[in-house]
Amino acid sequence: GAVVSQHPSWVICKSGTSVKIECRSLDFQATTMFWYRQFPKQSLMLMATSNEGSKATYEQGVEKDKFLINHASLTLSTLTVTSAHPEDSSFYICSAGRGAPGSPLHFGNGTRLTVT
Amino acid sequence: DAKTTQPTSMDCAEGRAANLPCNHSTISGNEYVYWYRQIHSQGPQYIIHGLKNNETNEMASLIITEDRKSSTLILPHATLRDTAVYYCIVPNAGNNRKLIWGLGTSLAVNP
Repeated sequence: GAVVSQHPSWVICKSGTSVKIECRSLDFQATTMFWYRQFPKQSLMLMATSNEGSKATYEQGVEKDKFLINHASLTLSTLTVTSAHPEDSSFYICSAGRGAPGSPLHFGNGTRLTVT
Repeated sequence: DAKTTQPTSMDCAEGRAANLPCNHSTISGNEYVYWYRQIHSQGPQYIIHGLKNNETNEMASLIITEDRKSSTLILPHATLRDTAVYYCIVPNAGNNRKLIWGLGTSLAVNP
């Protein structure tokens, strides 16, 4: 099946610094990737849709200047959490899917971000 | 809001079949039903999906009612490793990549 790789699996950073998370589709090309955030005991919340070669589309309430998304190739999207604060600590997950109608999305294994 | 409703939790004995129900009474004719599961501290794992017909793969079977208003995911021989939160998702046909996640069913497989 399709494989989506996410890196790093966990990161600890100091408040005010920036952190970059990578999402790669390993065996298929993805013109669109998705970024989610999940707080403890809650469900996944879609943050933004990453579009190859164009600007990302952000969900309501998600700050685009804080969560920078770059989708420079058909197999790589990156999410940069800028000037991270403790409230940004969360589980970040990406997903991607093949282009066939109805084909499912596949997910990375998530990145646990802890901001101290 | 999620377009599906699922029981909050279920228990199953190891080795027995786990039948997880999902209601999606507002589903449209061209909208798929997807099932994912999430094991603690991991990303969601795709299980199976279907449109009208029942589906089976190496992980599970999906039974969709004739009116398509509900479905059941069947894990034929549950193991301890199947303990997870199971999500039934019906994305809008207009944007079937935008998945709205409810709280799912927390399945506990007991020895």
